[in-house]
Amino acid sequence: GDSVTQMEGPVTLSEEAFLTINCTYTATGYPSLFWYVQYPGEGLQLLLKATKADDKGSNKGFEATYRKETTSFHLEKGSVQVSDSAVYFCALTKTSGSRLTFGEGTQLTVNP
Amino acid sequence: DSGVTQTPKHLITATGQRVTLRCSPRSGDLSVYWYQQSLDQGLQFLIQYYNGEERAKGNILERFSAQQFPDLHSELNLSSLELGDSALYFCASTVDGRRANEQFFGPGTRLTVL
Repeated sequence: GDSVTQMEGPVTLSEEAFLTINCTYTATGYPSLFWYVQYPGEGLQLLLKATKADDKGSNKGFEATYRKETTSFHLEKGSVQVSDSAVYFCALTKTSGSRLTFGEGTQLTVNP
Repeated sequence: DSGVTQTPKHLITATGQRVTLRCSPRSGDLSVYWYQQSLDQGLQFLIQYYNGEERAKGNILERFSAQQFPDLHSELNLSSLELGDSALYFCASTVDGRRANEQFFGPGTRLTVL
């Protein structure tokens, strides 16, 4: 079945450091890919998405590119802030409106 | 604020009991999804309803059931509760199950089974 694998966490960085969180997927066809963020005590919020190969999703300084050849959707940010501390989930859907399949989540802590 | 509301925020109950979790989707959204987030299983899809009808089922136990009412709110019923059912239960909604590309999540209900 479909699956998403994220890099093992937790990740701890200093403010202004570069962030990469790896995400790879296994799915047939052409899934849509997402990054969701969960701040402490809150629900999930969509951070960015890409719906076809080579699309780049971006939001709030975060970016991820849909790479079909490597089945990857790695999340990057050039300079993290303390306020970016949260849990980040990579996810996919096979078709619009269908279930989300999530990765394990990666806890990011940014220290001042 | 996503516009999706869930009640209650916290629920503490005992093994063997039954509880009902409630979700109100964003105004105009026809599709509701339920997810369970636990430490050992991560985030897992349970079930989806679209305009009152069940559309898809995931890893939902037979002890669990759900429904979507004419006003589009949804309830998730958990019965014969076990310790392992302790988790965060999220509801999400989208405007149209077939055309949607983003799910909006509620704040979740934290269930603790003692």
